[in-house]
Amino acid sequence: SQTIHQWPATLVQPVGSPLSLECTVEGTSNPNLYWYRQAAGRGLQLLFYSVGIGQISSEVPQNLSASRPQDRQFILSSKKLLLSDSGFYLCAWSYQGNSPLHFGNGTRLTVT
Amino acid sequence: AQSVTQLDSQVPVFEEAPVELRCNYSSSVSVYLFWYVQYPNQGLQLLLKYLSGSTLVKGINGFEAEFNKSQTSFHLRKPSVHISDTAEYFCAVSDLQRNNDMRFGAGTRLTVKP
Repeated sequence: SQTIHQWPATLVQPVGSPLSLECTVEGTSNPNLYWYRQAAGRGLQLLFYSVGIGQISSEVPQNLSASRPQDRQFILSSKKLLLSDSGFYLCAWSYQGNSPLHFGNGTRLTVT
Repeated sequence: AQSVTQLDSQVPVFEEAPVELRCNYSSSVSVYLFWYVQYPNQGLQLLLKYLSGSTLVKGINGFEAEFNKSQTSFHLRKPSVHISDTAEYFCAVSDLQRNNDMRFGAGTRLTVKP
């Protein structure tokens, strides 16, 4: 069966520090991969999605970037965190095409 | 592009009462529709999905939803809720013509009281 791993579960970082959140999927190949952000009391905002290695689409201009160095690895990064980057970050995968998303357990990021 | 509106940000109900969580979408093309549930500090879990066929869709945990194309709605229902149903519920729509483009509503916080 397929599983998705996302880490760390919680992270507290000072303003201006770098960020690296990692997500890996097991049990499937060539998945679509996604990064979402969920701000307190708000819905999910799609940040990035990827349909293959090295293929990244960005939904909104921001202080973040994403990379997919391997088929089942998706990394969310920032060179310098802002206070507004605080939130709950969710990684997800799906089969190619319009199939349901399968989410990781999320990372709670607090920028201080 | 498609969008999703969840009409109620919070829905408090008593245990064993019925509940309906409302969802409306806008899209100029055919869509797939989904409901997800999120428990505190966890990711989202798929409750049910509508892809085609019968407009009444049954999901896990006793939930069901009805797709109404004329009203562009996909409301979620459960005839009798439990304390354990307390969670955040998200409606989502996926554009059939745009691969990988799933949009979520802002969520509805369901609180089941004893």
